[in-house]
Amino acid sequence: DGGITQSPKYLFRKEGQNVTLSCEQNLNHDAMYWYRQDPGQGLRLIYYSQIVNDFQKGDIAEGYSVSREKKESFPLTVTSAQKNPTAFYLCASTRETGMNTEAFFGQGTRLTVV
Amino acid sequence: GDSVTQMEGPVTLSEEAFLTINCTYTATGYPSLFWYVQYPGEGLQLLLKATKADDKGSNKGFEATYRKETTSFHLEKGSVQVSDSAVYFCALSEHGNNRLAFGKGNQVVVIP
Repeated sequence: DGGITQSPKYLFRKEGQNVTLSCEQNLNHDAMYWYRQDPGQGLRLIYYSQIVNDFQKGDIAEGYSVSREKKESFPLTVTSAQKNPTAFYLCASTRETGMNTEAFFGQGTRLTVV
Repeated sequence: GDSVTQMEGPVTLSEEAFLTINCTYTATGYPSLFWYVQYPGEGLQLLLKATKADDKGSNKGFEATYRKETTSFHLEKGSVQVSDSAVYFCALSEHGNNRLAFGKGNQVVVIP
Protein backbone atom coordinates (compact mmCIF):
# COMPACT_ATOMS: atom_id res chain seq x y z
CA ASP A 1 0.00 0.00 0.00
CA GLY A 2 1.21 3.49 -0.82
CA GLY A 3 1.62 6.03 1.89
CA ILE A 4 3.89 8.14 4.05
CA THR A 5 5.94 6.62 6.83
CA GLN A 6 7.35 8.67 9.66
CA SER A 7 9.77 7.27 12.18
CA PRO A 8 10.16 6.99 15.03
CA LYS A 9 6.69 7.49 16.50
CA TYR A 10 8.12 8.75 19.79
CA LEU A 11 11.50 10.43 20.25
CA PHE A 12 13.25 11.77 23.32
CA ARG A 13 16.13 14.19 23.09
CA LYS A 14 18.40 15.80 25.63
CA GLU A 15 18.79 19.54 25.50
CA GLY A 16 21.62 20.63 23.23
CA GLN A 17 21.39 17.62 20.93
CA ASN A 18 20.39 17.56 17.28
CA VAL A 19 17.87 14.94 16.23
CA THR A 20 16.63 13.81 12.80
CA LEU A 21 13.06 12.78 12.03
CA SER A 22 12.51 10.47 9.09
CA CYS A 23 9.83 10.84 6.41
CA GLU A 24 9.54 8.43 3.47
CA GLN A 25 6.81 8.24 0.82
CA ASN A 26 6.13 5.69 -1.91
CA LEU A 27 3.35 7.66 -3.59
CA ASN A 28 5.66 9.12 -6.26
CA HIS A 29 4.67 12.58 -5.08
CA ASP A 30 6.76 15.56 -6.12
CA ALA A 31 6.11 17.86 -3.17
CA MET A 32 6.76 17.17 0.51
CA TYR A 33 6.14 19.25 3.64
CA TRP A 34 6.94 19.38 7.34
CA TYR A 35 4.45 20.78 9.84
CA ARG A 36 4.64 21.28 13.57
CA GLN A 37 1.52 20.79 15.71
CA ASP A 38 1.16 22.30 19.17
CA PRO A 39 -1.95 22.04 21.35
CA GLY A 40 -4.54 24.65 20.43
CA GLN A 41 -2.41 26.12 17.64
CA GLY A 42 -3.22 24.09 14.58
CA LEU A 43 -0.43 23.20 12.16
CA ARG A 44 2.44 25.48 11.21
CA LEU A 45 4.64 24.97 8.15
CA ILE A 46 8.36 24.44 8.81
CA TYR A 47 9.83 23.59 5.38
CA TYR A 48 8.61 22.33 2.04
CA SER A 49 10.18 20.88 -1.06
CA GLN A 50 8.73 20.90 -4.57
CA ILE A 51 11.47 18.88 -6.24
CA VAL A 52 14.59 16.91 -5.45
CA ASN A 53 17.55 19.01 -4.28
CA ASP A 54 15.36 22.05 -3.66
CA PHE A 55 13.45 23.25 -0.60
CA GLN A 56 12.01 26.45 0.85
CA LYS A 57 11.47 27.81 4.34
CA GLY A 58 7.99 27.88 5.75
CA ASP A 59 6.65 30.07 8.51
CA ILE A 60 8.73 28.72 11.41
CA ALA A 61 12.00 27.42 9.87
CA GLU A 62 14.38 28.78 12.52
CA GLY A 63 16.17 25.98 14.36
CA TYR A 64 15.31 23.36 11.74
CA SER A 65 17.04 22.01 8.64
CA VAL A 66 16.00 19.63 5.85
CA SER A 67 17.40 17.83 2.82
CA ARG A 68 15.80 16.34 -0.30
CA GLU A 69 18.39 14.09 -1.92
CA LYS A 70 15.79 11.58 -3.10
CA LYS A 71 12.21 12.02 -4.24
CA GLU A 72 11.01 9.55 -1.63
CA SER A 73 12.72 11.05 1.40
CA PHE A 74 12.50 14.38 3.23
CA PRO A 75 14.21 14.17 6.65
CA LEU A 76 13.89 16.98 9.18
CA THR A 77 16.67 17.83 11.63
CA VAL A 78 15.72 19.63 14.82
CA THR A 79 18.85 21.45 15.90
CA SER A 80 19.94 22.68 19.30
CA ALA A 81 19.08 26.19 18.10
CA GLN A 82 15.35 25.38 18.25
CA LYS A 83 14.30 26.89 21.57
CA ASN A 84 11.10 24.94 22.12
CA PRO A 85 11.32 21.69 20.16
CA THR A 86 8.84 19.58 22.12
CA ALA A 87 5.91 19.08 19.73
CA PHE A 88 4.15 16.70 17.36
CA TYR A 89 5.74 16.76 13.89
CA LEU A 90 3.81 15.83 10.75
CA CYS A 91 5.15 15.13 7.30
CA ALA A 92 2.91 15.46 4.24
CA SER A 93 3.10 15.11 0.48
CA THR A 94 1.09 16.14 -2.58
CA ARG A 95 1.08 14.69 -6.06
CA GLU A 96 1.89 17.99 -7.66
CA THR A 97 3.17 21.30 -6.57
CA GLY A 98 0.58 23.30 -4.69
CA MET A 99 -1.64 22.31 -1.82
CA ASN A 100 -4.98 22.66 -3.60
CA THR A 101 -4.90 18.93 -4.20
CA GLU A 102 -5.22 16.34 -1.49
CA ALA A 103 -2.35 16.24 0.98
CA PHE A 104 -1.38 12.87 2.44
CA PHE A 105 0.00 12.90 5.98
CA GLY A 106 2.20 10.53 7.92
CA GLN A 107 1.24 9.37 11.41
CA GLY A 108 3.54 11.86 13.06
CA THR A 109 6.53 11.86 15.40
CA ARG A 110 6.14 13.12 18.95
CA LEU A 111 9.39 14.72 20.06
CA THR A 112 10.03 15.39 23.73
CA VAL A 113 13.07 17.22 25.09
CA VAL A 114 14.17 15.88 28.46
CA GLY B 1 -2.04 36.80 4.57
CA ASP B 2 -4.40 33.90 4.22
CA SER B 3 -5.97 32.69 7.44
CA VAL B 4 -8.63 30.35 8.75
CA THR B 5 -10.71 30.85 11.89
CA GLN B 6 -12.52 28.03 13.65
CA MET B 7 -14.93 28.36 16.54
CA GLU B 8 -13.30 28.23 19.96
CA GLY B 9 -13.28 25.25 22.27
CA PRO B 10 -14.06 21.54 22.15
CA VAL B 11 -17.45 20.25 21.07
CA THR B 12 -19.15 17.60 23.18
CA LEU B 13 -22.41 16.06 22.04
CA SER B 14 -24.49 12.91 22.33
CA GLU B 15 -24.67 10.17 19.75
CA GLU B 16 -27.13 10.93 16.92
CA ALA B 17 -26.98 14.67 17.60
CA PHE B 18 -26.45 17.25 14.85
CA LEU B 19 -22.90 18.57 14.52
CA THR B 20 -21.84 21.96 13.20
CA ILE B 21 -18.31 23.32 13.28
CA ASN B 22 -17.91 26.86 12.01
CA CYS B 23 -15.06 27.90 9.74
CA THR B 24 -14.45 31.30 8.19
CA TYR B 25 -11.52 32.34 6.07
CA THR B 26 -9.57 35.33 4.80
CA ALA B 27 -7.89 35.06 1.40
CA THR B 28 -6.73 37.43 -1.29
CA GLY B 29 -7.85 35.28 -4.21
CA TYR B 30 -10.08 32.26 -4.76
CA PRO B 31 -8.85 29.48 -2.50
CA SER B 32 -9.66 25.81 -2.32
CA LEU B 33 -11.16 24.84 1.03
CA PHE B 34 -10.69 21.63 2.97
CA TRP B 35 -11.72 19.79 6.11
CA TYR B 36 -9.18 17.39 7.55
CA VAL B 37 -9.78 14.96 10.43
CA GLN B 38 -7.24 13.70 12.95
CA TYR B 39 -7.98 10.60 15.02
CA PRO B 40 -6.06 10.14 18.31
CA GLY B 41 -2.33 9.56 17.81
CA GLU B 42 -2.53 9.75 14.03
CA GLY B 43 -1.82 12.11 11.19
CA LEU B 44 -4.46 14.08 9.29
CA GLN B 45 -6.78 12.63 6.67
CA LEU B 46 -8.69 14.59 4.08
CA LEU B 47 -12.41 14.50 4.92
CA LEU B 48 -13.78 16.67 2.11
CA LYS B 49 -12.94 19.63 -0.08
CA ALA B 50 -14.44 22.30 -2.36
CA THR B 51 -12.56 24.18 -5.02
CA LYS B 52 -14.95 26.98 -6.03
CA ALA B 53 -17.84 29.03 -4.73
CA ASP B 54 -21.12 27.17 -4.09
CA ASP B 55 -19.42 23.77 -4.35
CA LYS B 56 -20.49 21.28 -1.70
CA GLY B 57 -17.97 18.76 -0.42
CA SER B 58 -19.32 15.60 1.19
CA ASN B 59 -17.96 12.38 2.64
CA LYS B 60 -19.00 9.86 5.33
CA GLY B 61 -22.17 11.87 6.08
CA PHE B 62 -20.27 15.12 6.54
CA GLU B 63 -20.97 18.13 4.32
CA ALA B 64 -19.60 21.64 3.85
CA THR B 65 -20.56 24.31 1.31
CA TYR B 66 -18.14 26.92 -0.03
CA ARG B 67 -19.86 30.26 0.68
CA LYS B 68 -17.95 33.10 -0.96
CA GLU B 69 -20.41 35.78 0.17
CA THR B 70 -19.87 34.92 3.85
CA THR B 71 -16.32 33.54 3.40
CA SER B 72 -17.35 30.41 5.25
CA PHE B 73 -17.03 26.63 4.97
CA HIS B 74 -18.97 25.23 7.92
CA LEU B 75 -18.84 21.49 8.55
CA GLU B 76 -22.10 19.64 9.32
CA LYS B 77 -23.25 16.12 10.03
CA GLY B 78 -26.81 15.18 10.71
CA SER B 79 -26.31 12.29 13.14
CA VAL B 80 -22.91 11.75 14.75
CA GLN B 81 -21.51 8.47 16.02
CA VAL B 82 -18.97 7.73 18.74
CA SER B 83 -16.49 6.89 15.98
CA ASP B 84 -16.66 10.53 14.79
CA SER B 85 -14.76 11.62 17.91
CA ALA B 86 -11.63 13.32 16.58
CA VAL B 87 -10.06 16.71 15.92
CA TYR B 88 -11.33 18.53 12.84
CA PHE B 89 -9.26 21.11 10.97
CA CYS B 90 -10.45 23.59 8.39
CA ALA B 91 -7.81 24.62 5.86
CA LEU B 92 -7.38 26.65 2.70
CA SER B 93 -4.94 26.84 -0.16
CA GLU B 94 -4.64 29.54 -2.75
CA HIS B 95 -4.31 28.10 -6.24
CA GLY B 96 -0.67 27.66 -7.13
CA ASN B 97 0.40 28.22 -3.54
CA ASN B 98 2.59 25.69 -1.82
CA ARG B 99 1.10 25.78 1.60
CA LEU B 100 -2.09 25.01 3.48
CA ALA B 101 -3.30 27.52 6.07
CA PHE B 102 -4.93 25.64 8.94
CA GLY B 103 -7.40 26.65 11.58
CA LYS B 104 -6.62 25.74 15.18
CA GLY B 105 -8.81 22.66 15.09
CA ASN B 106 -11.84 21.56 17.11
CA GLN B 107 -11.88 18.53 19.36
CA VAL B 108 -15.18 16.70 18.92
CA VAL B 109 -16.24 14.23 21.60
CA VAL B 110 -19.33 12.11 20.97
CA ILE B 111 -20.83 10.48 24.06
CA PRO B 112 -22.81 7.23 23.73
